[in-house]
Amino acid sequence: GQSLEQPSEVTAVEGAIVQINCTYQTSGFYGLSWYQQHDGGAPTFLSYNALDGLEETGRFSSFLSRSDSYGYLLLQELQMKDSASYFCAVKNHGQNFVFGPGTRLSVLP
Amino acid sequence: DVKVTQSSRYLVKRTGEKVFLECVQDMDHENMFWYRQDPGLGLRLIYFSYDVKMKEKGDIPEGYSVSREKKERFSLILESASTNQTSMYLCASSSRRRDRVYEQYFGPGTRLTVT
Repeated sequence: GQSLEQPSEVTAVEGAIVQINCTYQTSGFYGLSWYQQHDGGAPTFLSYNALDGLEETGRFSSFLSRSDSYGYLLLQELQMKDSASYFCAVKNHGQNFVFGPGTRLSVLP
Repeated sequence: DVKVTQSSRYLVKRTGEKVFLECVQDMDHENMFWYRQDPGLGLRLIYFSYDVKMKEKGDIPEGYSVSREKKERFSLILESASTNQTSMYLCASSSRRRDRVYEQYFGPGTRLTVT
């Protein structure tokens, strides 16, 4: 079977750093994506890792370890607008992705 | 500005009705997807299409069918709506280019209620 695991909820304060983990078990693996979804909104793409290591995009970074079937999204200098749900997604065979259950991040003042 | 649009934001249908959900993208993307989103379950793939008239089953295709007659349009059909199909339905598209395939663009979603 295929499964992705993420913490259901994470809470942090403004200005802090938070890490959202994702572990996966899938039949094939070509890369790990991260998406952000605000309440009532559509998911929007944040980052993608095909190779091991850290990818940095502004305040957000994403890490992948293929040998550990593990990745994380790192959010720095948290802002209130970062309060949202975050999904990891594995690209397996073909053109489609398998999404995780999502992590709800609450940023407190 | 790239855009994926869905025909309705909110829809209420009765059990047994045939329901059509429409999705249009203006990015000339080859791939299009239909997901349903339920609390605690994330996004689950219903069907996807990698070309006109082509379709592939996702993880939960039972009770659904799809149609892709034109590149920009992907329709999801509930042949006989049931209450367990009450959900948020999200359409997405992506390029088939090797360096862009990992980035999906989502529509605003259709919240379907079946009574």
